[in-house]
Amino acid sequence: GAGVSQSPSNKVTEKGKDVELRCDPISGHTALYWYRQRLGQGLEFLIYFQGNSAPDKSGLPSDRFSAERTGESVSTLTIQRTQQEDSAVYLCASSPRASGSNTGELFFGEGSRLTVL
Amino acid sequence: GQNIDQPTEMTATEGAIVQINCTYQTSGFNGLFWYQQHAGEAPTFLSYNVLDGLEEKGRFSSFLSRSKGYSYLLLKELQMKDSASYLCAVRTGGGNKLTFGTGTQLKVEL
Repeated sequence: GAGVSQSPSNKVTEKGKDVELRCDPISGHTALYWYRQRLGQGLEFLIYFQGNSAPDKSGLPSDRFSAERTGESVSTLTIQRTQQEDSAVYLCASSPRASGSNTGELFFGEGSRLTVL
Repeated sequence: GQNIDQPTEMTATEGAIVQINCTYQTSGFNGLFWYQQHAGEAPTFLSYNVLDGLEEKGRFSSFLSRSKGYSYLLLKELQMKDSASYLCAVRTGGGNKLTFGTGTQLKVEL
């Protein structure tokens, strides 16, 4: 597709269960990001992949959170032993490398809304 | 660390002009972005500044002063559809990592 695709769009789970959220970036985009947005709040940085470099994991809130990316394609964000505080919209974005007239702006997916009961 | 500040809420009248400010304290500044986010939707790109000055794009303009760590987004001829959250984001370092402010919720009234 032309845009960033995320699945599932909605996920309801019970406290303590593991969840996986998937992101398909725009083809050719070297960078991929995960952000968390709680209701009425701003975007909280989680993790950033840039090409084959080591990911920037500085925003992951705990060791229950992990993410992987295969090459410059699909990424999966995994939350283990979910807690109610994990309820939020998880937004994925991708961007081309910033160079010349290319600003390197982020293109966002529609997000995965996670509700932990 | 990085600190990005925006007002939480603003209200303006249809047809008027509104200025949304953003101040930041970062190391390795490498560009500032403004995004618009309607309720329940993904953020969409509005503007980008990396050098001091004003960038104009239709009804929207964005200004940057790097020495002051300050930017603003100017919206002219406000329309009801401009009611949304406006997010300021700063890029730092040689990569492309963006850190977002908490956003300014703009309400446009008749």
